Amino acid sequence: DGGITQSPKYLFRKEGQNVTLSCEQNLNHDAMYWYRQDPGQGLRLIYYSQIVNDFQKGDIAEGYSVSREKKESFPLTVTSAQKNPTAFYLCASSFGGGSYEQYFGPGTRLTVT
Amino acid sequence: GQQLNQSPQSMFIQEGEDVSMNCTSSSIFNTWLWYKQDPGEGPVLLIALYKAGELTSNGRLTAQFGITRKDSFLNISASIPSDVGIYFCAGQLGGETSGSRLTFGEGTQLTVNP
Repeated sequence: DGGITQSPKYLFRKEGQNVTLSCEQNLNHDAMYWYRQDPGQGLRLIYYSQIVNDFQKGDIAEGYSVSREKKESFPLTVTSAQKNPTAFYLCASSFGGGSYEQYFGPGTRLTVT
Repeated sequence: GQQLNQSPQSMFIQEGEDVSMNCTSSSIFNTWLWYKQDPGEGPVLLIALYKAGELTSNGRLTAQFGITRKDSFLNISASIPSDVGIYFCAGQLGGETSGSRLTFGEGTQLTVNP
């Protein structure tokens, strides 16, 4: 089955620690995205990548980092510099180019205490 | 980033009623998408619209791409309890130079009372 997987579903970390969230897709999509969602709010773009080895900052990139070494994978690191990291993180992918339909993974809920 | 104004923010309806929600912007969009999100899950794509004036249906759902390219609406007919969730509009800006990124509305929380 083709799809997007995010792991783990729930993640707990202590303040001051970096944490990496996984996102993998087997849809042969070129573009991948990371969003943050806070309770009762919409989706805010953190980073996106349109091709392997390239990525761009979204609207709220501060305190986050990404890499895109493989087409299938787009991990997100939440660094200790992120002031309010507790949130629901969503990964998405699309064919890119002229195709704008993004397909989402199930999300990872990160809690930092 | 650009704002999409989505309304209403929330709706409480009885099972069987029809629902309408919309998104507006001061900017022109080339593509409109509608998603539904269940609690604790990722959004699921419901309908994609690519041409001004386009009207597309998916079962009980109907969406339209506004003729001015600055708005879109989603209608749900004969609502059922499993329609509960958050509905998001998303658009791809006209003249957008940042590739395939989308702008999202803030969502409409739908509650259906049996």
